[in-house]
Amino acid sequence: AQKVTQAQTEISVVEKEDVTLDCVYETRDTTYYLFWYKQPPSGELVFLIRRNSFDEQNEISGRYSWNFQKSTSSFNFTITASQVVDSAVYFCALSEGGNAGGTSYGKLTFGQGTILTVHP
Amino acid sequence: AAGVIQSPRHLIKEKRETATLKCYPIPRHDTVYWYQQGPGQDPQFLISFYEKMQSDKGSIPDRFSAQQFSDYHSELNMSSLELGDSALYFCASSWRGRLNTEAFFGQGTRLTVV
Repeated sequence: AQKVTQAQTEISVVEKEDVTLDCVYETRDTTYYLFWYKQPPSGELVFLIRRNSFDEQNEISGRYSWNFQKSTSSFNFTITASQVVDSAVYFCALSEGGNAGGTSYGKLTFGQGTILTVHP
Repeated sequence: AAGVIQSPRHLIKEKRETATLKCYPIPRHDTVYWYQQGPGQDPQFLISFYEKMQSDKGSIPDRFSAQQFSDYHSELNMSSLELGDSALYFCASSWRGRLNTEAFFGQGTRLTVV
């Protein structure tokens, strides 16, 4: 069975601080996909990134960066120079590998979420 | 760009009533997923459809049913509503026939059972 653990329930920082959100996953599949979603107070789920299990390259997108390490089954998310608008719940999620007829990225197992509050 | 459309956005129902939630996927997307997110909880997968056939089933109560129609929109039917069904219900869609497309979520339907 798949499992995603986000050990940090809540994080509070002051604007411009860097913050790292931890994510540890468990799966028996050799092919899997990892995601981060943001859920702002308005409630929608906003896709941030997808990572394939066979691609361990780290990624940077503006102030966001992701560190994927298969050896420790972790997929951590760092926000550099945080801003008040980054305040949200952040979910790490896992999708299992290919299904017949193509790969389905939509059946996700979510972590419990980390509530990030950035104070001005 | 067109996104996943869910209706209604908010719904208030009484116990034991029925509710129908609708989801209109992104054009050309062939797969629809339904999730339930209780207060302070992470989203839980309920059920999915690919090309109008049920493809996966998660923790969906027997009181709930869903289907995907010929135009690919989907409906989640919920009967004998209970207070515990109060939650945010998300629909997501993806294009399964094409690699490298993640699921895009709608804005959700907030169901309140009173």
